[in-house]
Amino acid sequence: AIQLTQSPSSLSASVGDRVTIACRASRAIRSDLAWYQQSPGKAPKLLIYAASTLQAGVPSRFSGSGSGTDFTLTISSLQPEDFATYYCLQVFNSWTFGQGTKVEVK
Amino acid sequence: QMQLQESGPGLVKPSETLSLTCTVSGDSFNSRSSYWGWIRQSPGKGLEWIGTIYYSGNTYYNPSLKSRVSISMDRSKNKFSLNLNSVTAADTAMYHCARHTVNTGMVFDFWGQGTLVTVSS
Repeated sequence: AIQLTQSPSSLSASVGDRVTIACRASRAIRSDLAWYQQSPGKAPKLLIYAASTLQAGVPSRFSGSGSGTDFTLTISSLQPEDFATYYCLQVFNSWTFGQGTKVEVK
Repeated sequence: QMQLQESGPGLVKPSETLSLTCTVSGDSFNSRSSYWGWIRQSPGKGLEWIGTIYYSGNTYYNPSLKSRVSISMDRSKNKFSLNLNSVTAADTAMYHCARHTVNTGMVFDFWGQGTLVTVSS
C-alpha cells in the first residue's frame, strides 16, 4: 500500500504568512494527489486535485505543486479562516490519506 | 448543490454489525462519472478509506477491512449503505460518506458531515 507522510505535523503561523506543507509518497504516484482542509467539527473540504488544479470556489491563495513522490501545498497569505488541519490524499492506487498538518495561531 | 447525509446508530456493541446509510440529494446515482464511498476518521488512525460502490453496483474495498465490509445501494431512493461486521473498539470513529468522480481524478469532492459511531458494551 502507498503511504503518505506529511511534514510538519503542526506549525504555528500568523495572518499574512506564507505557509508550505509537504507530502511525500512511499512510491511514485504521478500527479494523483489531492489536498483537503478540515476545520473542527466539519467534513474535509477539497482544495486541490491532480496535484495542482484548484477546485472551483477555492481562493487563489491556495496552490499545489509536485509530481512523482514529492508534493507541496502553499498558502500564499494566511487568512483567519485558514487555521485548520490539512490532509493529502493519493488516488494512484486505491485511496490513502496523509496523517495531517495542523496550522495553528502563532 | 449536492448534499450527502449519513444516518444510523451512534452506539454499537462489540462483535455486532455497524450499519449506516447515506442519503444523496442534488445528484443522480445513475451518473456514470460518480462513485460513492465511505471514509472513517479516528484519532488513532486518521482518515481511512473503507470502500466504494459504483452506479453499476461494482464495489471496491480497503484490503484491511475487506473481510468485514459490505456496501450496497438503493438507486430508487438515492441511498447507499455500509455494513461492517464483528466490530471492536478500534472501529469507533466518525464515519463519512462521500462522492468521488472521474471529473476530479477520482478524489472525494463532496462529503457528508459525518456520524460518530462508538463501539462499546
